[in-house]
Amino acid sequence: EPEVTQTPSHQVTQMGQEVILRCVPISNHLYFYWYRQILGQKVEFLVSFYNNEISEKSEIFDDQFSVERPDGSNFTLKIRSTKLEDSAMYFCASSRGSAGAGTTDYEQYFGPGTRLTVT
Amino acid sequence: RKEVEQDPGPFNVPEGATVAFNCTYSNSASQSFFWYRQDCRKEPKLLMSVYSSGNEDGRFTAQLNRASQYISLLIRDSKLSDSATYLCVVIVSSGGSYIPTFGRGTSLIVHP
Repeated sequence: EPEVTQTPSHQVTQMGQEVILRCVPISNHLYFYWYRQILGQKVEFLVSFYNNEISEKSEIFDDQFSVERPDGSNFTLKIRSTKLEDSAMYFCASSRGSAGAGTTDYEQYFGPGTRLTVT
Repeated sequence: RKEVEQDPGPFNVPEGATVAFNCTYSNSASQSFFWYRQDCRKEPKLLMSVYSSGNEDGRFTAQLNRASQYISLLIRDSKLSDSATYLCVVIVSSGGSYIPTFGRGTSLIVHP
């Protein structure tokens, strides 16, 4: 069964450093997403990406964040200058279509996550 | 008022029991609805989409009530392996964009 993969599984970085989190979405999916989940809190939407462009982004996704699809398989989230409060689990997800295409096409499948610890 | 609200639980039930969770949403422009389960420190896994007519998948039944703005999940014949946190996800449509909003989840513990 195809699945979303993410690397690394755990990243430790110092405050102010840049990190890049990597994801390989399911191969026939066209829409990609990043979410974060701070320990003990709910999953929060960061950004969605389609056709090499950001489709939607939340208030959390400020200028320190960027996303990119550098090749045909990887989808990355870059955090430019990490803060302590960026410590969280970051999940990548993908779907065949957008919500406008219908519920089934919008079903999102999540990767195992990258635990980011900022010290 | 929170956009998506769930009773955090925990719901503590014996094996074989039937248990139901509700999830209320505040935005009437909400378009699509899903239930996910999340095991401790793992990723959310899609359990089922929620269709307007309601849908069933084995022991799981999901319902949508647009008038009262809630969705429900019914689990019959609970198994130990059903122990997890159940996340309600609502997709809000706004000006052509679609924003997924998660609830905080309802914790289910199934005991022998």
